[in-house]
Amino acid sequence: DVQLFESGGGLVQPGGSLRLSCAASRFTFSSYAMSWVRQAPGKGLEWVSSISASGGTTYYADSVKGRFTISRDNSKNTLYLQMNSLRAEDTALYFCARGNPIFDFWGQGTLVTVSS
Amino acid sequence: DIQMTQSPSSLSASVGDRVTISCRPSQTIYTYLNWYQQKPGKAPKLLIYSVSTLQSGVPSRFSGSESGTDFTLTISSLQPDDFATYYCQQGYSTPWTFGQGTKVEIK
Repeated sequence: DVQLFESGGGLVQPGGSLRLSCAASRFTFSSYAMSWVRQAPGKGLEWVSSISASGGTTYYADSVKGRFTISRDNSKNTLYLQMNSLRAEDTALYFCARGNPIFDFWGQGTLVTVSS
Repeated sequence: DIQMTQSPSSLSASVGDRVTISCRPSQTIYTYLNWYQQKPGKAPKLLIYSVSTLQSGVPSRFSGSESGTDFTLTISSLQPDDFATYYCQQGYSTPWTFGQGTKVEIK
């Protein structure tokens, strides 16, 4: 079965930075677009960002454009999300998901809390 | 942005009931409509993509359809494992957007 494991979440002050990672296994990572989707506590799902299989094309939600950067290292089977200038409203469980725009497998998520 | 409106927001049903959940996009999305199931504390799971194609391993009691401008997820005979929140999602244009969710609870 496809495995996706997120890490890097934690508590950060407003204006701070975090880098999330998503380690992929049991599929050919370099053949798939990948995405990040988040879920604020008690709320619904919000798409954040996606990246093509090669990494050459990226997409962002307006709410994170200019602050977040998605990237991937196909040699390490790892997806990243660099998050800068974090705001309270970025507090959420961040999922990595395989695919774009159909998200066919998801990790269990990593929690990001932005608070002073 | 394309807004996805689900109805109802929640419903109570019994095991064996037929359940339908609707999703209406704010503009045309053609067949770029997907459905996900999420249980508390778990990651979402893809159920149906492209309106009506069942993801591998998903029970056949789940089905998806389109009628006019609306999309529907149907569970033909609700099972104990189906109590969860369901989300629709459009994949026609970025930003990809989800419905607000429909929580299916036990009556």
